[in-house]
Amino acid sequence: QVQLVQSGAEVKKPGASVKISCEASGYTFTDNALHWVRQAPGQGLEWVGWIDTDNGNTRYAQKFQGRVTITRDISARTAYMELSSLISQDTAVYFCARGAGYWGQGTLVTVSS
Amino acid sequence: EIVMTQSPATLSVSPGERATLSCRASQSIGSYLVWYQQKPGQAPRLLLDDASTRATGIPARFSGSGSGTEFTLTISSLQSEDFAIYYCQQYSNWPRTFGQGTKVEMK
Repeated sequence: QVQLVQSGAEVKKPGASVKISCEASGYTFTDNALHWVRQAPGQGLEWVGWIDTDNGNTRYAQKFQGRVTITRDISARTAYMELSSLISQDTAVYFCARGAGYWGQGTLVTVSS
Repeated sequence: EIVMTQSPATLSVSPGERATLSCRASQSIGSYLVWYQQKPGQAPRLLLDDASTRATGIPARFSGSGSGTEFTLTISSLQSEDFAIYYCQQYSNWPRTFGQGTKVEMK
């Protein structure tokens, strides 16, 4: 069965970077792109970016351009999302998702001094 | 970017009643719309793809309609497990964008 397993919760100071992983199983990794979506506490869903796991092409929301980098390691069947220059408003649960139907469990990133 | 607007923000409904949720796109997206259900502490769950195609395992009481800029999610007879937040998302254009959500609460 398709599974997306994300790395654990992170606590970071303002200005730092965070890198979250999303390990895929149960399907051919390069057959489906992966999205990253975040959700601040008590807020709605916000699309962060996307990676074509086959060729590595990426797209990012304008809001995060210059601060976010999504990569993948095909051999590890894992995608990564790195967000830099963190501010308190980046505190959120970050999800990876394969299409619309399969989601990781979410990774809480807390940015606090 | 395409702005997705959901209404109402909150819908108070009694169990067994019908719930109708709306989602409007700022420009035409064809039928490139999905609906999600989200409960506290959980990842979103796909309900409908292509505006009206139920995902695997989704009960028939969930239905979707619309195309272009106006979309509707209907829950024909609310069950206790349906009280949650519902989001629409378009995948016609980049960036993918979500509506702000409609909370369906018990009346």
